[in-house]
Amino acid sequence: QKEVEQDPGPLSVPEGAIVSLNCTYSNSAFQYFMWYRQYSRKGPELLMYTYSSGNKEDGRFTAQVDKSSKYISLFIRDSQPSDSATYLCAMSGDNTDKLIFGTGTRLQVFP
Amino acid sequence: DAGVTQSPTHLIKTRGQQVTLRCSPKSGHDTVSWYQQALGQGPQFIFQYYEEEERQRGNFPDRFSGHQFPNYSSELNVNALLLGDSALYLCASSGWRGEIYNEQFFGPGTRLTVL
Repeated sequence: QKEVEQDPGPLSVPEGAIVSLNCTYSNSAFQYFMWYRQYSRKGPELLMYTYSSGNKEDGRFTAQVDKSSKYISLFIRDSQPSDSATYLCAMSGDNTDKLIFGTGTRLQVFP
Repeated sequence: DAGVTQSPTHLIKTRGQQVTLRCSPKSGHDTVSWYQQALGQGPQFIFQYYEEEERQRGNFPDRFSGHQFPNYSSELNVNALLLGDSALYLCASSGWRGEIYNEQFFGPGTRLTVL
């Protein structure tokens, strides 16, 4: 079993839709939870991070962490074609910079 | 301010050869991590360098080695290349800012193809 599981998609939605992306994990030592966006032929860029449980909002993006269920989510409101990319969840524990990534979910937003 | 830069962009090698990939961290960063991203997969942590020492290592064989220079730039070396080493190799840099989480900034990667 992988430490981090993520549905690879692809996910295809119309412009303006609400998108929900999810990851589950097995290691209870994870404390930092990140969402990265990766465009084709580019390196990942950090969208949001959350420490421990809770919600965090940044513009059209909301990240949620439920440590009791070992489940994290990223919601994208009013999705735009420019949001079309691969979304990677990543996690790490205290006292380490080692990131454990999910496989990534490919999202396509069509006009 | 240049971000993380990597060279070369693309590389084609044959099985058994050796390869060296290079990374220059973002200005002000002193820590460099290397990741391997196979097609359709998420990045996998190879190792991290800080103060010219390997600080952490992922589950990769000794064929993967690295180096960090006094100017914080780094090299990733892979010996005895296998077909399975074909992947995008990502470099990420970070620097202590006294915050809870110190973001790792990724470079564009080097795409290695082993034939």
